[in-house]
Amino acid sequence: SQKIEQNSEALNIQEGKTATLTCNYTNYSPAYLQWYRQDPGRGPVFLLLIRENEKEKRKERLKVTFDTTLKQSLFHITASQPADSATYLCALDITGNQFYFGTGTSLTVIP
Amino acid sequence: DAGITQSPRHKVTETGTPVTLRCHQTENHRYMYWYRQDPGHGLRLIHYSYGVKDTDKGEVSDGYSVSRSKTEDFLLTLESATSSQTSVYFCAISESSFDTGIDTQYFGPGTRLTVL
Repeated sequence: SQKIEQNSEALNIQEGKTATLTCNYTNYSPAYLQWYRQDPGRGPVFLLLIRENEKEKRKERLKVTFDTTLKQSLFHITASQPADSATYLCALDITGNQFYFGTGTSLTVIP
Repeated sequence: DAGITQSPRHKVTETGTPVTLRCHQTENHRYMYWYRQDPGHGLRLIHYSYGVKDTDKGEVSDGYSVSRSKTEDFLLTLESATSSQTSVYFCAISESSFDTGIDTQYFGPGTRLTVL
């Protein structure tokens, strides 16, 4: 079955630094990968997606890379701010409209 | 928020009782989903629907049934609730991203269900 792994431990970083989150997957070759943000008590919110033929995608302070050989995506938040503190989830669309999510990585940005 | 509401938002029930959770959307989306979210497991797909009366199973469908008699409503039923079904349940829809044309998910606010 499809397995998606993210940093299981919480990530704490100092404000202004770059946060890097990892998403690894097995048993599948997705055409694209998505990243979501989830705040406590709320549903996930879509942030970015990256296609298999894109090595890198940027949106404001966010950057996503996608290495289909390593089966890995990295999610970077540059110049991090306390408001970036949340849980970040990666997701794969396995069969067209069936989404599989990682367990998420909790990020805390310390002022 | 893609016009998604869930009801109830919180529910406490006893083992063996039936429970129905409702998801309502106002924007005529074809695809609707039910997920459960548990510590250590993340979001897992229970069932999804691709149209009125068209549903299919997800990764963790045992013990759950769904119905979709109208485009706007997707119901999740636990026929006989068990303590292992204590979880936070999220409804979601798929919508094509404006800039990529690829479907992304929009989630409701969630329902916290406790089965005693």
